Amino acid sequence: EAGVTQSPTHLIKTRGQQATLRCSPISGHTSVYWYQQALGLGLQFLLWYDEGEERNRGNFPPRFSGRQFPNYSSELNVNALELEDSALYLCASSSGRESGNTIYFGEGSWLTVV
Amino acid sequence: LAKTTQPISMDSYEGQEVNITCSHNNIATNDYITWYQQFPSQGPRFIIQGYKTKVTNEVASLFIPADRKSSTLSLPRVSLSDTAVYYCLVGDNNAGNMLTFGGGTRLMVKP
Repeated sequence: EAGVTQSPTHLIKTRGQQATLRCSPISGHTSVYWYQQALGLGLQFLLWYDEGEERNRGNFPPRFSGRQFPNYSSELNVNALELEDSALYLCASSSGRESGNTIYFGEGSWLTVV
Repeated sequence: LAKTTQPISMDSYEGQEVNITCSHNNIATNDYITWYQQFPSQGPRFIIQGYKTKVTNEVASLFIPADRKSSTLSLPRVSLSDTAVYYCLVGDNNAGNMLTFGGGTRLMVKP
């Protein structure tokens, strides 16, 4: 069974541009989470989607946004890119909002802003 | 929202048992405890999850005392390939929870 898949693996953008990252959850999973991990640092919670709705967002500016599609895949959009947005963006999925549902991560998308 | 505290780093030698403790004093009733392993430039890999007492799988054990204010990940007979960052995550998937990670423990296994 396929795990969480993310694309692209690497993305290079210029400051001020927009970036779109995509995530396909594990089959049957309805919840998708996005995290940002700057080089050498911990995971910072960005967004959580479940059943097509945004359930929560972390302490990030509005230029970080996303959506979840009817097939539960998701995309993360980052507008007006800044140099400090360079990071590994991790997507994770779980089978729903019940307590104890394990969250599984993809391998991430590296975004470099130059 | 349960905040977690872990040692920043630990050193061990091949073949030894490693125990990494995570403190989570304000854990809530519905929170589960999950541990992940992360290698550089890769996504975190699920290791083990528990709610109370002891959980064991093919790679690790998780010990949770009765008050659930801490948890200990036990890795038996570590090898060089276990050198990684280990994160404990305490939270509830239910609505409103941000599932925030702590800083992680950098484990270095030496020959």
